[in-house]
Amino acid sequence: NAGVTQTPKFRVLKTGQSMTLLCAQDMNHEYMYWYRQDPGMGLRLIHYSVGEGTTAKGEVPDGYNVSRLKKQNFLLGLESAAPSQTSVYFCASSYSSSGASEQFFGPGTRLTVL
Amino acid sequence: GQNIDQPTEMTATEGAIVQINCTYQTSGFNGLFWYQQHAGEAPTFLSYNVLDGLEEKGRFSSFLSRSKGYSYLLLKELQMKDSASYLCAAATGDYQLIWGAGTKLIIKP
Repeated sequence: NAGVTQTPKFRVLKTGQSMTLLCAQDMNHEYMYWYRQDPGMGLRLIHYSVGEGTTAKGEVPDGYNVSRLKKQNFLLGLESAAPSQTSVYFCASSYSSSGASEQFFGPGTRLTVL
Repeated sequence: GQNIDQPTEMTATEGAIVQINCTYQTSGFNGLFWYQQHAGEAPTFLSYNVLDGLEEKGRFSSFLSRSKGYSYLLLKELQMKDSASYLCAAATGDYQLIWGAGTKLIIKP
């Protein structure tokens, strides 16, 4: 089992460019999450999904969009990147809702926006 | 409001014991998680407490007091590989997770 995988691992964008981060899990989990992690701050939830075809906003959703067309995949899109979106992005999945079961994290994507 | 606090950094000696504290205030409460995160890597699950008391897992133990809004992670027989950040996260009444900023633990020989 690969667990949770993310592509790409690193990316540098110029302001205004767009990109999509891909997350895949092979554990048949219903719940998937996108977080960003910045120095000195806790993980902040961007968007999450409670099942195929459903998505919801988290704490910091502005500037991001997501899609969950297949149960195993959760995509995070940046339509027009800004320097404030420079961060490390983690995808996670869990069997049930976040307050009831552990989350399994992908290795992260380190994004720099110039 | 909802918040969660833990020390920014702690230093301990190899072979010793260290306790990392976490205090929280949430709207409702459905448990407290601890995760370990090595530099440049993803967080990995360590423990989950929902009832008051101590849960022991080998060298690691986690304690919860719901009435005090307080938890701690106890690491015994410290090893160099325990150098990492330790994240606590509280599950709120509607099952959202509030994450602390993490405690960076430095182990010295």
